[in-house]
Amino acid sequence: SQQGEEDPQALSIQEGENATMNCSYKTSINNLQWYRQNSGRGLVHLILIRSNEREKHSGRLRVTLDTSKKSSSLLITASRAADTASYFCATDMMYSGGGADGLTFGKGTHLIIQP
Amino acid sequence: DARVTQTPRHKVTEMGQEVTMRCQPILGHNTVFWYRQTMMQGLELLAYFRNRAPLDDSGMPKDRFSAEMPDATLATLKIQPSEPRDSAVYFCASGLIRGTEAFFGQGTRLTVV
Repeated sequence: SQQGEEDPQALSIQEGENATMNCSYKTSINNLQWYRQNSGRGLVHLILIRSNEREKHSGRLRVTLDTSKKSSSLLITASRAADTASYFCATDMMYSGGGADGLTFGKGTHLIIQP
Repeated sequence: DARVTQTPRHKVTEMGQEVTMRCQPILGHNTVFWYRQTMMQGLELLAYFRNRAPLDDSGMPKDRFSAEMPDATLATLKIQPSEPRDSAVYFCASGLIRGTEAFFGQGTRLTVV
């Protein structure tokens, strides 16, 4: 079952603009991660934010986490054509003793950067 | 350059046949995940191993799917018998310790006709 859910499902912007994607999840987490997938390829890790962190930066990426709202956002600044890909959030849930504690993914946001 | 290796990359098989997918995790990683990706369901977690022991396989149809780690360098996912609805891309991923990033293989694209 999906823990995270990304919004929007698809996003098309002009090169140079900023892209914002959101993720909502259902249960308590240890950390939340964002991954990128180019068409036909495996997923590549972008950034990890722990449950006690509120914001994290990596190059042109900015991630925020609001545990009270169970949501996260990924901002890509100054987008480039090469950023065209699908972006997924993944949650590392707190182990409940009875359920899965592996990384669970949402269905992703498909981002298209128009040159 | 350490990477997760999956074989085969593509597999076309007839309904009812056995399918075996293999994964070589990154050396030293002690967690291994199997995922299935389809357009409709997205990425589904099928099974999860830590130190070669299965921790959770609740996402896997038990009647036809099985996942094992015969040794630390090999994880397998078997489907017997295969059905057309099993057509998907199957990903293996490995990680060093829980709570850190997962490294994905390139996937096995399975088509069952």
